[in-house]
Amino acid sequence: DGGITQSPKYLFRKEGQNVTLSCEQNLNHDAMYWYRQDPGQGLRLIYYSQIVNDFQKGDIAEGYSVSREKKESFPLTVTSAQKNPTAFYLCASSMRASGANVLTFGAGSRLTVL
Amino acid sequence: QQQVKQSPQSLIVQKGGISIINCAYENTAFDYFPWYQQFPGKGPALLIAIRPDVSEKKEGRFTISFNKSAKQFSLHIMDSQPGDSATYFCAAGFTSGTYKYIFGTGTRLKVLA
Repeated sequence: DGGITQSPKYLFRKEGQNVTLSCEQNLNHDAMYWYRQDPGQGLRLIYYSQIVNDFQKGDIAEGYSVSREKKESFPLTVTSAQKNPTAFYLCASSMRASGANVLTFGAGSRLTVL
Repeated sequence: QQQVKQSPQSLIVQKGGISIINCAYENTAFDYFPWYQQFPGKGPALLIAIRPDVSEKKEGRFTISFNKSAKQFSLHIMDSQPGDSATYFCAAGFTSGTYKYIFGTGTRLKVLA
């Protein structure tokens, strides 16, 4: 079955540590995204990538970094510079179909900073 | 210009009732308006979407109403069921150019049995 796999599902981190969240898709989608979800704030875009080896900052990129070395993979690193990293992180991918950009989401990774 | 305002924040409906969630946008360049449904601990999934050249789109019990002049669109869930209890997000995006979406803040729907 095609889809997006995020890992780990739950992650605990001590303050000052970097952590990397994995996102892999087998949908052959060109674009991939990272969103952060906090209660009452909806989905906020962290980074997105439209093609391999290229990515753009979203609305809340500070304290995060990404890479896009392969079409299938778009890992997100939450660095120690991110002041409030505890959140639910969602990876998504998309392929334009019939003029629409339909997002497919993974199941998410919940990061808790201790 | 890039905001999408969604209301209400939470909604409680009796089984069989109609659930209505509203969204308003500012940027008239948006030309694609999807609704996503999210169950606890899961990622959102596309529910239904509309483009501004039509005023209404219906898929089963779910209907989007679109008012281009008012820059508003809404999701109606007819005959609401307990299984519809989830968080619903509206969004606005583009069918060409940038791949970015702007999401609303979400509505937590609870349908009472």
